[in-house]
This record gives sequence, structure tokens and C-alpha cells, in this order.
Amino acid sequence: AQKITQTQPGMFVQEKEAVTLDCTYDTSDQSYGLFWYKQPSSGEMIFLIYQGSYDEQNATEGRYSLNFQKARKSANLVISASQLGDSAMYFCAMREGSGGYQKVTFGTGTKLQVIP
Amino acid sequence: DTGVSQNPRHKITKRGQNVTFRCDPISEHNRLYWYRQTLGQGPEFLTYFQNEAQLEKSRLLSDRFSAERPKGSFSTLEIQRTEQGDSAMYLCASGITGLNTEAFFGQGTRLTVV
Repeated sequence: AQKITQTQPGMFVQEKEAVTLDCTYDTSDQSYGLFWYKQPSSGEMIFLIYQGSYDEQNATEGRYSLNFQKARKSANLVISASQLGDSAMYFCAMREGSGGYQKVTFGTGTKLQVIP
Repeated sequence: DTGVSQNPRHKITKRGQNVTFRCDPISEHNRLYWYRQTLGQGPEFLTYFQNEAQLEKSRLLSDRFSAERPKGSFSTLEIQRTEQGDSAMYLCASGITGLNTEAFFGQGTRLTVV
């Protein structure tokens, strides 16, 4: 079974609109962390937001928020007020177990294109 | 620039040759990670170091792959007898023990084996 599933290979959004990128995960661990990264065409992975499995509040970082639904094992990324510079690949990832950042499993990504 | 630095950015090599990539992490970061990313996929974990100790290796890291971090600072990833299937982006990331936070990634080395 896939540990991280991103079902949207590609998404379009109008500039200034909000967009939700889907992510579901599979783990039997009680302690885990969920990450979202942005990868522009230059190739660098840029950290966006982190949610710990024990965090009760949804994580927010500026225009990014993570809609964490633990029972449904989903961790969707919401980008508000989309900008042209948001066009990129977006990867959801999960770290399992405790003890800090070890290996992380990534999804296959969603390509977001922002339309002027 | 105090980010993670990877060299070279691009490498084209003939099948059967050996290649070595270098990663310079953020200076105060004691953890260093190597990932491989093929076209259309997310990064796949290869290995990580805490200081100079290599603590975990993926099954993806065959005998032809070796990684070192001799002084707990920069790291090298060597691929011996390259194969066309080794063509990928090799990403390095660094982080700090004890914090459940992100790792910072470099811009990667794109390897093409012809």
C-alpha cells in the first residue's frame, strides 16, 4: 500500500483564488509528522508547512494551511490567494516514528499551475 | 549563501563510469540526508548521517552506491559502474537532531547516464 497518496496529478487555479491539494497517508504509528514541500522547475525542495500527529490545531504558515483530519488520515494543503509564483510541483510527505527527522516518504506530487 | 550546497548541478557520464557528488550542509546541522528523485516521482530516501555516523540506509542503496561524511560536515555520494537506471536527480538535505521540523534541501545534482 502507498504510504502517501496524492490523487491529483495536475491542478489549475485562477490567480488570487484559493486551492486545496489533497494528500492521504497510511501509517500504524501513533507518532508521525506530515510535511508539504514545493518544488519549482529549478529543482530545489522548499519546505512549506509541518503538522505533528499530536498537534491539535491545524498548522498555518502565511498563505499556507494544512487541513489535518486524523481520523480520515488526510493532510490537505490549502493555498490562499494564489500567486503566479505558486506554480510548481507540490509534494506531501510523512515521517513515521519518534526521534526527530529520520527518513521521510514522499507522494508522487501535484503540479499546480496558476492562471493569470 | 548559508543554504545547502550541492556540486555539481549537472553531470553527464558514460555508462560504466564512476561519479561522485558533494553536499555541503548548513553549518550547524548535524543530520544529513540523501534522496534520489526520478522523473514524475517524489524523492526516495537513500541514506542519512548524524554527524559522521551513517545511521540508516535504504535498500535502494545498492553495493555500487557509497556515501561518506568523514568529518561530520560535507558528504559525498559515489556511484560506481553507473547504469542508465541511475539517471535521476540526487538531492541532499540537512537538519538538526531533536527538532520535529523540516530538513533544508539543496538544489540537487542531475545525473544523466548515456
